[in-house]
Amino acid sequence: SQTIHQWPATLVQPVGSPLSLECTVEGTSNPNLYWYRQAAGRGLQLLFYSVGIGQISSEVPQNLSASRPQDRQFILSSKKLLLSDSGFYLCAWSVPILQGMQGYTFGSGTRLTVV
Amino acid sequence: GESVGLHLPTLSVQEGDNSIINCAYSNSASDYFIWYKQESGKGPQFIIDIRSNMDKRQGQRVTVLLNKTVKHLSLQIAATQPGDSAVYFCAEIWMDSSYKLIFGSGTRLLVRP
Repeated sequence: SQTIHQWPATLVQPVGSPLSLECTVEGTSNPNLYWYRQAAGRGLQLLFYSVGIGQISSEVPQNLSASRPQDRQFILSSKKLLLSDSGFYLCAWSVPILQGMQGYTFGSGTRLTVV
Repeated sequence: GESVGLHLPTLSVQEGDNSIINCAYSNSASDYFIWYKQESGKGPQFIIDIRSNMDKRQGQRVTVLLNKTVKHLSLQIAATQPGDSAVYFCAEIWMDSSYKLIFGSGTRLLVRP
């Protein structure tokens, strides 16, 4: 079966500290991978996506970076966290399911609080 | 662009009534749309999808309507139940190699007992 693992579930980090959130998928190969952020009471904003190993596209300028060292591993990082980096971070993947249609699966999310 | 940065509007309905949640999308080239339900502290949960060659699709208690002329989607929930209380997002798929999901601003549905 196809699953997605995202950890940790919650994280409290001081301003200026580094960040590493990891997401791995199972049961599929060569998925498209995505990182989203959701501020409290707001919608989901796409931060990064990847269509293959080492291929990262950034959607918004920010303090974060992403990497895809393996086909089914997607990492979100920061060298120095800002207060504004607080939010709910979601990893997702997609694969074709039918002609012209994609199946998307979301992780359970990481709630990051920068203090 | 992406519809983000707006505080979520709220729709309050009586249990048993029908709910209609509306959404405007941004990319006229989008070919595929999905409605998601998100409960507090969880990731989005797939509800129903629709292709651009359709204007209506029905699921169990839910119906999605698509009007490409005005770039508008709606989600209708029949006989709304307390368990339907959540935030609802529409999302459009950018049909390039990224297949990225771009979410609408979302609506919070509150079901009154």
